[in-house]
Amino acid sequence: AQRVTQPEKLLSVFKGAPVELKCNYSYSGSPELFWYVQYSRQRLQLLLRHISRESIKGFTADLNKGETSFHLKKPFAQEEDSAMYYCAHKGTSGTYKYIFGTGTRLKVLA
Amino acid sequence: DVKVTQSSRYLVKRTGEKVFLECVQDMDHENMFWYRQDPGLGLRLIYFSYDVKMKEKGDIPEGYSVSREKKERFSLILESASTNQTSMYLCASIGGNSPLHFGNGTRLTVT
Repeated sequence: AQRVTQPEKLLSVFKGAPVELKCNYSYSGSPELFWYVQYSRQRLQLLLRHISRESIKGFTADLNKGETSFHLKKPFAQEEDSAMYYCAHKGTSGTYKYIFGTGTRLKVLA
Repeated sequence: DVKVTQSSRYLVKRTGEKVFLECVQDMDHENMFWYRQDPGLGLRLIYFSYDVKMKEKGDIPEGYSVSREKKERFSLILESASTNQTSMYLCASIGGNSPLHFGNGTRLTVT
């Protein structure tokens, strides 16, 4: 079965420190992977998708097919990065059934 | 900008009540979804719909039903609410190459 694993429920880092939120997926084909973010009292929103290969708010994520990973990274964390982050894989059955990980709460400490 | 609107931000219902959660999107998306969001469990798909009057069960459909009479509206129905259905409910829509767009969520408490 397709699965997305986020091993950390909570990640606390100090402001200015590097951040890496881990995401592993199980899928044998070519995955479509996303990172979604939910700031306090806001709706869940797309942060970035792997096919764009872009940097959003200083975050990047590289697809590593060998390790089946899609870790989210930022070199210098900011307090405003504190949020809930979900890794997601777009289902490939012809529908849009996204599979979400259990989420990682990032706390950036002053 | 895509707008997905959930009619209620907070709801408190009693055990056994029939509960309706409403969701409307304004981007003519074919596909709409209902998720539950629980701490430590992430987002779990309850039901989805890929067209008017079409629906498919997600991963946790038990105790829920849905209605899609118009393209823009997707309703989640709890036939007889139970305390284990206390949760945050998220509606989402998607079409074409767009990403999933979510509503603000409805926090339902069943007492």
